[in-house]
Amino acid sequence: DIQMTQSPSTLSASVGDRVTITCRASQSISSWLSSTWLAWYQQKPGKAPKILIYKASTLESGVPSRFSGSGSGTEFTLTISSLQPDDFATYYCQQYHSDPYTFGQGTKLEIK
Amino acid sequence: QITLKESGPTLVKPTQTLTLTCTFSGFSLSTSGVGVGWIRQPPGKALEWLALIYWDDDKRYSPSLTSRLTITKDTSKNQVVLRMTGMDPVDTATYYCAHLIYGDRSFDYWGQGTLVTVSS
Repeated sequence: DIQMTQSPSTLSASVGDRVTITCRASQSISSWLSSTWLAWYQQKPGKAPKILIYKASTLESGVPSRFSGSGSGTEFTLTISSLQPDDFATYYCQQYHSDPYTFGQGTKLEIK
Repeated sequence: QITLKESGPTLVKPTQTLTLTCTFSGFSLSTSGVGVGWIRQPPGKALEWLALIYWDDDKRYSPSLTSRLTITKDTSKNQVVLRMTGMDPVDTATYYCAHLIYGDRSFDYWGQGTLVTVSS
């Protein structure tokens, strides 16, 4: 299995802050086709996850442009350029390079 | 508009078999590239990928649970069924089904989830 490790587990920040969450894969999840099979999700309490970014850096339709993703191989980041009140939630990365399509352990973004 | 909804028992006893149904609309599981997966989340914990079935009936399972899981599809009913045998209290979780397109977004549409509690 490919292990996905997120850091930090918890992040305290204020509205307007720029924040970055890191996700590391235990092996490369980029393919020879130059695609990188990594997704980022946002989950709020009692709700299903919502996809934000796929293929490491492609923003899902309707997701605000303050969200961005980058990385390749084994190292990835999710950046929120200016935190809004609606962004306080838990974020998960997921690789879909090979099954099982494993998730990271999550990063809880809290209000400072 | 794609929607998915999970249904099944909310309470099962230890050792029993859990059967969950995902009923969907807005897409066909006979369309090339389409898949439906199951993911679970114990209370307060992270997401765990369980199983996935593709349009061509290719089935994939979590290696740690493969002996306990069976995923099937009924294309005519727009349903995917997950069976999990030997339920244990540690299997208490919210179970989600979700849609994906192979080689694209991963899970782009999710059901609301259903909480299954395992207790005697």
